[in-house]
Formats: sequence, C-alpha cells, structure tokens
Amino acid sequence: GQSLEQPSEVTAVEGAIVQINCTYQTSGFYGLSWYQQHDGGAPTFLSYNALDGLEETGRFSSFLSRSDSYGYLLLQELQMKDSASYFCAVRDPTGTNAGKSTFGDGTTLTVKP
Amino acid sequence: DARVTQTPRHKVTEMGQEVTMRCQPILGHNTVFWYRQTMMQGLELLAYFRNRAPLDDSGMPKDRFSAEMPDATLATLKIQPSEPRDSAVYFCASGLRLAGGTDTQYFGPGTRLTVL
Repeated sequence: GQSLEQPSEVTAVEGAIVQINCTYQTSGFYGLSWYQQHDGGAPTFLSYNALDGLEETGRFSSFLSRSDSYGYLLLQELQMKDSASYFCAVRDPTGTNAGKSTFGDGTTLTVKP
Repeated sequence: DARVTQTPRHKVTEMGQEVTMRCQPILGHNTVFWYRQTMMQGLELLAYFRNRAPLDDSGMPKDRFSAEMPDATLATLKIQPSEPRDSAVYFCASGLRLAGGTDTQYFGPGTRLTVL
C-alpha cells in the first residue's frame, strides 16, 4: 500500500519562501505529484517529479529524493493568493493500478500580510 | 480551454434517496477517477477507469455505490440508498495515461452532496 505524510499546517508571510515536505512509504514508486486546492475549489495540478532533483515552474519548485522517499514543494515570493491546501500524491506503478494516485492529507498554507 | 465538467454542482437529498452524479472528462483523456473529499477523511479515491474499463473500485462501498462509464464522454457515480455519512464533495478527474508519462489529473469543480 501507499502512505504519505505532510504537515497539516504552515504559516508564512507575504514575500517569504516556504517549503512543504512530503514523505512517503510505498510498495512501488512511479512519481510524486503536487496539487493546490483553494477553499471551496477543486485540486489543480502543480508539478510532477519522476526523477531525483528539482523541477521549477515559475515561483513554485518541487524536489524529489527517491532514496530518502522524500519530496518537497517550495513556494517563493509568497502571495496572499497562495493561501490554500497543498497535497502530495504518489502514483502506483503496479499492473492494472498504474496511474492510480494516493493523496496525502494536505497541508494548509496561510499567507499573512 | 478543455475542462472536466460535473453535474449537479450541488445536491441536497433525503436519506434513502438515489443520487446520480455525472462527469464529462476532457476529450481524449483515457483515465477517469472519482474522489470523495471530507474534512475527516481527506481526498479518497472511490473508483478508477482506464479506457472506460473499471480498474479499481476498492475504495467504494459496494453495497450502495456504483460507478460506470457508458461511453467515453460520460462517467456516472450512483449512490442508492444515500445516507447522511455520504455527505461530501465528490470530484471527478480525468487524465491521459501514457507509459512513463507525467501524472496529471484534471479535476472537475465537484458535486457538493448533502444527505439529510
């Protein structure tokens, strides 16, 4: 099976940098994804890491270390609109379940002025 | 701008009634997921289809829930009979599963279900 751990809440100020960590325990591993969900909205895809290292997309970056079963989402130059929940998810590589993802419980990020 | 659509957006019903939620995946996508989200349980996968075939519905209470894809443009999730504990937001998501490809799921706006 798959299980993921991420902090439940993180608070930071506008303009700052924040890192949201995700550790996972999986029977197999194919990739780590990050999703953002604003209150009352739907999750939206942010990034995907299949290989070790850093993926950068604008103000957001995502990092993966497969040997440590660990990844993080880095948000730079925080803006008030970044206040949302952030979910990490792992993709199941095995057989007919390939493509199925398990989501973490989410981290609620609050950005303060 | 291709999007996943879901109907209805909101549904209030009484315990024991049948509820049907519909989803139109993005054209060309070959995977469809149904999720349920509550404050207590987070985002739970209920069912997963690939090329319209159900691959995994282990997260779904079989006695009352059913999920189908009658064609490539429609996925349905039914609850019969509904219970108050089914109150949640139900999301449909679609994606394009290619071997070794990125894992991107596009979520619909959700159906907010309240069972009284």
